[in-house]
Amino acid sequence: DAGVIQSPRHEVTEMGQEVTLRCKPISGHNSLFWYRQTMMRGLELLIYFNNNVPIDDSGMPEDRFSAKMPNASFSTLKIQPSEPRDSAVYFCASSPLQGQGPMSSPLHFGNGTRLTVT
Amino acid sequence: DAKTTQPPSMDCAEGRAANLPCNHSTISGNEYVYWYRQIHSQGPQYIIHGLKNNETNEMASLIITEDRKSSTLILPHATLRDTAVYYCIVRVAADGLTFGKGTHLIIQP
Repeated sequence: DAGVIQSPRHEVTEMGQEVTLRCKPISGHNSLFWYRQTMMRGLELLIYFNNNVPIDDSGMPEDRFSAKMPNASFSTLKIQPSEPRDSAVYFCASSPLQGQGPMSSPLHFGNGTRLTVT
Repeated sequence: DAKTTQPPSMDCAEGRAANLPCNHSTISGNEYVYWYRQIHSQGPQYIIHGLKNNETNEMASLIITEDRKSSTLILPHATLRDTAVYYCIVRVAADGLTFGKGTHLIIQP
């Protein structure tokens, strides 16, 4: 099991540029989550998908952020245009489909993308 | 999701049992108790979760009080590699996880 795979591992970009972060969930997992972590705010849930459909995007900070899941094995988080305050570590997580039956399945996290916007 | 309260930091001697407390006095009947940890520069790692009964796996044990208002994560024989931030989270099955500040556990040699 390869786990959740995120790329790139590190990204440095200039303010105003477009940034795309990528995530490959664990095979067979139907729920996918994007988180952001900063020293000031800790780990924040940005958005999550069930069966490739966005369920809750209330954590997305503003319209500059967008996330897509075109198929069950790939998701992107895009920031356009990027700003220095977007600098953070972005984590992707996946799990078996949430909300089915009484059992609750744990989320499995990737090792994150460290984004620096100068 | 119900909120949790954890001590900001704890120390434990290597080889001893580490007992990490968590208070979740406003937990609802359908909320699970989850524990994750995060080692520096890595993604959060799932440890264990439970609803009412105590649970044990290869990593840890989870003790939930009868009224479910608090729980304790037990690492039976702590090693230096267990130094991490430990997060206690209560969660309804269909939702994402909401992380608090956690407990920074430091294992002393």
